[in-house]
Amino acid sequence: GEDVEQSLFLSVREGDSSVINCTYTDSSSTYLYWYKQEPGAGLQLLTYIFSNMDMKQDQRLTVLLNKKDKHLSLRIADTQTGDSAIYFCAEISGSGNTGKLIFGQGTTLQVKP
Amino acid sequence: EAQVTQNPRYLITVTGKKLTVTCSQNMNHEYMSWYRQDPGLGLRQIYYSMNVEVTDKGDVPEGYKVSRKEKRNFPLILESPSPNQTSLYFCASSFRGLSEKLFFGSGTQLSVL
Repeated sequence: GEDVEQSLFLSVREGDSSVINCTYTDSSSTYLYWYKQEPGAGLQLLTYIFSNMDMKQDQRLTVLLNKKDKHLSLRIADTQTGDSAIYFCAEISGSGNTGKLIFGQGTTLQVKP
Repeated sequence: EAQVTQNPRYLITVTGKKLTVTCSQNMNHEYMSWYRQDPGLGLRQIYYSMNVEVTDKGDVPEGYKVSRKEKRNFPLILESPSPNQTSLYFCASSFRGLSEKLFFGSGTQLSVL
């Protein structure tokens, strides 16, 4: 079935770049998402990429998509302590709006001062 | 303020005692969904609703019921809770469906003893 895999933990120093990786299985996914969950809060949409794009940049965030390898990454430049959170990648599986949103397990990003 | 409101935030109950977790959105969204979040498993979809009186099963619907009598409300009902339903629950909504931004509630931490 559909599956989305992420590593569970990443630790970086403040000011460094962070790269969070994700692999997915459904090659028909039209949208791929990155959500951020801060402690004690719900998820917030961070960014997304259409499947016909290779890269999307939004301020400190860069999303790279390798459709051939079904690999998605999120790069956070100049990582700050406020970026400490759990990051989920997600794909839409199935057709149109009635499909399912499949989440990865989440990567906990720890930013050390 | 546009938001998804869940209640209660925390709930401790005993096996077999029926409970309802409420979810309400004030954005006139058509699509609403329930997820549960468990360590190492990410978020898994329980049920979703495309509009009033239209609901469908997600990945883990067993032991749960939902209803969508009004557009703004989408309660999650556990008729006979069991300890394996101890989890963090999130309600989410979007204007039309999964290809649009999902807004999440703050979560309900449920413990079933």
